Amino acid sequence: AQKVTQAQTEISVVEKEDVTLDCVYETRDTTYYLFWYKQPPSGELVFLIRRNSFDEQNEISGRYSWNFQKSTSSFNFTITASQVVDSAVYFCALSEGAAGNKLTFGGGTRVLVKP
Amino acid sequence: DSGVTQTPKHLITATGQRVTLRCSPRSGDLSVYWYQQSLDQGLQFLIQYYNGEERAKGNILERFSAQQFPDLHSELNLSSLELGDSALYFCASSVGEYNSPLHFGNGTRLTVT
Repeated sequence: AQKVTQAQTEISVVEKEDVTLDCVYETRDTTYYLFWYKQPPSGELVFLIRRNSFDEQNEISGRYSWNFQKSTSSFNFTITASQVVDSAVYFCALSEGAAGNKLTFGGGTRVLVKP
Repeated sequence: DSGVTQTPKHLITATGQRVTLRCSPRSGDLSVYWYQQSLDQGLQFLIQYYNGEERAKGNILERFSAQQFPDLHSELNLSSLELGDSALYFCASSVGEYNSPLHFGNGTRLTVT
């Protein structure tokens, strides 16, 4: 069965610090997709990134970057130069190739960025 | 704004009652999903529909049912409500059936008293 673990339940940083969120996944499939979602205090879930299991290139989008390592089954997320607006709960999720779009979410990491 | 519309935003009802949550997907999206978010269970997948047909089922209780209509909107029906059903219910939609990004609505917060 697939599983996603986000060991950090809460991280508190001061503005402009970098913060890295860990995500470790378990799956028996060779084809799968990994996702990150952001849930700000307003409650909606915002899609950030999707990565397939065959693409291990790291990705950068503005202040966000993602490090995918199949060898350690990890898909970590870094926010560089954090801002107060980054305060949110961040979820990592896994979708196995043959299972439609059934996302298995991790427990989430709450990030609090203090001014 | 994700383009996914959920109504109502809040719902307060008593145990034993039945409620219907409604979702309109983004324009052009054929897949609709329902997720439940609670403090103890986290985000749990309930069910997926694609172009009117059920495609995948998660840990959805027998008291819960859903459908997707020809105009692609979806409804989630929750019956014989229990206190433990209190949660945030999200609808999401995607273009494709497999592994395309899900875009979530703002959720319906259900409180069962």
